[in-house]
Amino acid sequence: DAGITQSPRHKVTETGTPVTLRCHQTENHRYMYWYRQDPGHGLRLIHYSYGVKDTDKGEVSDGYSVSRSKTEDFLLTLESATSSQTSVYFCAISLMAGGPKDEQFFGPGTRLTVL
Amino acid sequence: RKEVEQDPGPFNVPEGATVAFNCTYSNSASQSFFWYRQDCRKEPKLLMSVYSSGNEDGRFTAQLNRASQYISLLIRDSKLSDSATYLCVAYGGGGNKLTFGTGTQLKVEL
Repeated sequence: DAGITQSPRHKVTETGTPVTLRCHQTENHRYMYWYRQDPGHGLRLIHYSYGVKDTDKGEVSDGYSVSRSKTEDFLLTLESATSSQTSVYFCAISLMAGGPKDEQFFGPGTRLTVL
Repeated sequence: RKEVEQDPGPFNVPEGATVAFNCTYSNSASQSFFWYRQDCRKEPKLLMSVYSSGNEDGRFTAQLNRASQYISLLIRDSKLSDSATYLCVAYGGGGNKLTFGTGTQLKVEL
């Protein structure tokens, strides 16, 4: 158990509304990630963080922003949700701070539906 | 072509059977590989890491063939509880990131 929680676990929202998803970890891991998972696609990286206030884009970052003001919290914001952002969102942490032995551990996920 | 490709299945096997999944990767610069298990509507959980030619953990064996660019997962003596989707993941190959396959579904039946 990597001590990762995500909130909310389920959310239904309307197109054009802002949405913030929270990832919280209890073990002071430096690296945190946000992924989305959709049918027909593997998990795809949205953004990641390598420390407080240090973030970078992943392969599907358009329409998303992130913030990390504390080690334990990594927030994902959809500024204006669209139906294409309906997905399951997973937060992850890694123990090895990147690199070939970068074993990542995932939170329970947030199911987001944008109507 | 997807960077990491898996047969989606499902693989339906009887309890006690041996089953193997293959995963092919397109980027020869990939440095390491992982197998994750994902139950329906749950998060992926790390099953095995492969940094060299292979790895074994109990009933599970992963083998890497760099020449042919595939990695396999062998499950011996299948249990009902092994029913899940198995995700193949490659690390590296530029960008130092994980690339996930779409998964292979396994159903173990009585």
